[in-house]
Amino acid sequence: TAGITQAPTSQILAAGRSMTLRCTQDMRHNAMYWYRQDLGLGLRLIHYSNTAGTTGKGEVPDGYSVSRANTDDFPLTLASAVPSQTSVYFCASSDSKNSRTEAFFGQGTRLTVV
Amino acid sequence: AQSVTQPDIHITVSEGASLELRCNYSYGATPYLFWYVQSPGQGLQLLLKYFSGDTLVQGIKGFEAEFKRSQSSFNLRKPSVHWSDAAEYFCAVDDDNNAGNMLTFGGGTRLMV
Repeated sequence: TAGITQAPTSQILAAGRSMTLRCTQDMRHNAMYWYRQDLGLGLRLIHYSNTAGTTGKGEVPDGYSVSRANTDDFPLTLASAVPSQTSVYFCASSDSKNSRTEAFFGQGTRLTVV
Repeated sequence: AQSVTQPDIHITVSEGASLELRCNYSYGATPYLFWYVQSPGQGLQLLLKYFSGDTLVQGIKGFEAEFKRSQSSFNLRKPSVHWSDAAEYFCAVDDDNNAGNMLTFGGGTRLMV
């Protein structure tokens, strides 16, 4: 079972360059999320989407943008990367329409901005 | 806004010893609480969750957690730790947004065995 697939697994990016982190889920979940993980801070929500065609800002949205053109894909774009965006990025999804449920996470993308 | 505190950044226990990882939350309404585990280089795997009902919840891998409303706590326990339990553990609370399951995470506790 695939679940959530993130790509790339890791990336080194020059400051000022743009990059899109890809996330695809095959569970037909309505909601998708992007978190960043930093030492001692746990995971913090960057952006979310409750359904295809809609997105919202999380706790730390600055410098990031997302789109949700369809149910399965939720790419995260860094328009002009800065070193403070060095982090591990996790995509997640959940089926939140009908009842409380848990979120399922991808394997993460380790991004280093130099 | 809700918050989650995991007071212990690192914990070291011997194999076979019991384990308790602490989690305190700040949230006005009835919380939906989770414990996730992250093995090195891996994503997050759900250990257990509390939505309502019995305050002692059982999870995978022999873990359990107890919700104590009076203490705003949701501590994770295991009676006998195995070396394979070495990982980072995250407590999280759902912000009860009916349109989604956005989580607020604690800072994590790294368990060494």
